[in-house]
Amino acid sequence: EVRLVESGGGLVKPGGSLRLSCAASGFNFNIYYMAWVRQAPGKGLEWVSSISPSTNDIDYADSVKGRFTISRDNAENSLYLQMNSLRAEDTAVYYCAREVGEDIVIVPAAHHFDYWGQGVLASVSS
Amino acid sequence: SYVLTQPPSVSVAPGETAMIACGRDKTGTNGVHWYQQKPGQAPVLVIYYDVDRPSGIPERFSGSYSGNTATLTITRVEAGDEADYYCQVWDSDSGHRVFGGGTKLTVL
Repeated sequence: EVRLVESGGGLVKPGGSLRLSCAASGFNFNIYYMAWVRQAPGKGLEWVSSISPSTNDIDYADSVKGRFTISRDNAENSLYLQMNSLRAEDTAVYYCAREVGEDIVIVPAAHHFDYWGQGVLASVSS
Repeated sequence: SYVLTQPPSVSVAPGETAMIACGRDKTGTNGVHWYQQKPGQAPVLVIYYDVDRPSGIPERFSGSYSGNTATLTITRVEAGDEADYYCQVWDSDSGHRVFGGGTKLTVL
């Protein structure tokens, strides 16, 4: 059974930092892209960042580029999101998601999210 | 980057057919994917690559694509289908993954 469990959320002041973690199990972590997707209270889904299995392909949404850093530890089956210079508008539930890349499906079908964690809340407020 | 446009809401009676559209602002070859999100829960993939259904998703859920519009169709709608539905694409030019604004499906 695929399982994704996020941790590390909490309340932080504007300008502060948080590090989110996602523990993955039940699948071969080494061959999948992984991603973070967030959802502000009462709002829609917003993709944040994705990372390839070998970490040679990393992408960020414009809203977080330069402030957030995605990383992974394939030996530990873990995904991370280092969030710096946090703003009130970063307040959201952050979901860890398994992303199906081009090594697994043909390119036009790639980069969808087939499993999601339950999410962790990060709140930025003074 | 892509912009995906969805209607904010769709309402349908139980047993009827719901159709949710997703318009893309530029032509592309990459597929459209659809997610269902019930209140307080994580999203669930219901359709990928325009028309493919993951295992475990009922056959009542189907996808189609014509021109620059993808459509999620739910036949024989049930009360349990009430949820927010999001479309998503991968913009291979920018590397960005893009979500539509979401459609709230209400079962009357």
